[in-house]
Amino acid sequence: DAKTTQPNSMESNEEEPVHLPCNHSTISGTDYIHWYRQLPSQGPEYVIHGLTSNVNNRMASLAIAEDRKSSTLILHRATLRDAAVYYCILRDVWDSGGSNYKLTFGKGTLLTVNP
Amino acid sequence: KAGVTQTPRYLIKTRGQQVTLSCSPISGHRSVSWYQQTPGQGLQFLFEYFSETQRNKGNFPGRFSGRQFSNSRSEMNVSTLELGDSALYLCASSVTGPNTGELFFGEGSRLTVL
Repeated sequence: DAKTTQPNSMESNEEEPVHLPCNHSTISGTDYIHWYRQLPSQGPEYVIHGLTSNVNNRMASLAIAEDRKSSTLILHRATLRDAAVYYCILRDVWDSGGSNYKLTFGKGTLLTVNP
Repeated sequence: KAGVTQTPRYLIKTRGQQVTLSCSPISGHRSVSWYQQTPGQGLQFLFEYFSETQRNKGNFPGRFSGRQFSNSRSEMNVSTLELGDSALYLCASSVTGPNTGELFFGEGSRLTVL
């Protein structure tokens, strides 16, 4: 099963960049890498996703290693509102036939942003 | 545009009972997936429905079931509740599916089993 490994927690200061790492050494060629975050008492919200190339959107950037075995979510200027649990997610093929799969959410990284 | 709506938000049941949770996806979204979130196990995928058909299933016992209606609204049912079923149940909708499409999550239904 393709799994992700993330640090349990990270800390940042407001208005500084944050680099959240994710290791996925068993990723397969067609797995997409997704990032979601979950604020307290809310459901997760989409942040960004990519396959091979680096991606940017209004919320963040996603840097994917050339071998795709790791990726980094970059928040360019952290705000207090960015304090959340960040999940790095891969498609996880469960059935060898390929028709069934489960999304694997790891434990995520708890990001604390200091004022 | 209305978001994903889950009802009820909170409920308390006793062991052996059953429970039905409802999820109304964003208009136009045909994929609805369900997740269980507990402090110990994190977020775990239950199943996904697309156009009224269960398309994908996670590693949960048969006591956990679901269905999707023609208007894309979905329900999940847990029968013979156990203490370990206490969790936050989240549903997410998307245009295509959990793998390639952006997921939009509801705020969840918090189930407590006594």
